[in-house]
Amino acid sequence: AQSVTQLGSHVSVSEGALVLLRCNYSSSVPPYLFWYVQYPNQGLQLLLKYTSAATLVKGINGFEAEFKKSETSFHLTKPSAHMSDAAEYFCAVSGAGGTSYGKLTFGQGTILTVHP
Amino acid sequence: DAGVTQSPTHLIKTRGQQVTLRCSPKSGHDTVSWYQQALGQGPQFIFQYYEEEERQRGNFPDRFSGHQFPNYSSELNVNALLLGDSALYLCASNPRGLAGHEQFFGPGTRLTVL
Repeated sequence: AQSVTQLGSHVSVSEGALVLLRCNYSSSVPPYLFWYVQYPNQGLQLLLKYTSAATLVKGINGFEAEFKKSETSFHLTKPSAHMSDAAEYFCAVSGAGGTSYGKLTFGQGTILTVHP
Repeated sequence: DAGVTQSPTHLIKTRGQQVTLRCSPKSGHDTVSWYQQALGQGPQFIFQYYEEEERQRGNFPDRFSGHQFPNYSSELNVNALLLGDSALYLCASNPRGLAGHEQFFGPGTRLTVL
């Protein structure tokens, strides 16, 4: 079984401030981890993914995430927020095998608001 | 290169009716998954199709069924609609052998059940 917990359904930052969105996962097999972004009335766009290579993963738009196995975490960060980063962010996990193979399990999402 | 496309964009149905949603995968992709995203929630996995067969299924009743065609496009059918079926339905595709199971999502179909 696999699950994802995103801590904080809403995060608010000022433009230029650090963005930190938290994600913890549970998986019975080695996980693949993803961050997706969703803008209003749109589908999901992949920001970055962890697939058992480097633990620090760099994505699009200046985002990055670090896989920490001991903490079962995959937090998303960006050094300096931009107004265009305002959106909803989803952390997701899938398994490398078993019943979780090829099936994405998502967290509840975190809405990021950026203030001028 | 067209991405994942879905039709229709919006749909309004009444309780008890049946609905069919359609999805065309990204070029080169042969695996299609469907997700339901209720308002304010994360997407929930419904099922996945590969080689025209259902390979994985989430915790959804049999009212939810699907089909994949030889050209890899897919349909999601929902029978006996309930108010609770109102949601954004997302289709995602990926090449079967792609490491990390990255899935590419379409824009979704917004279903409203009255």
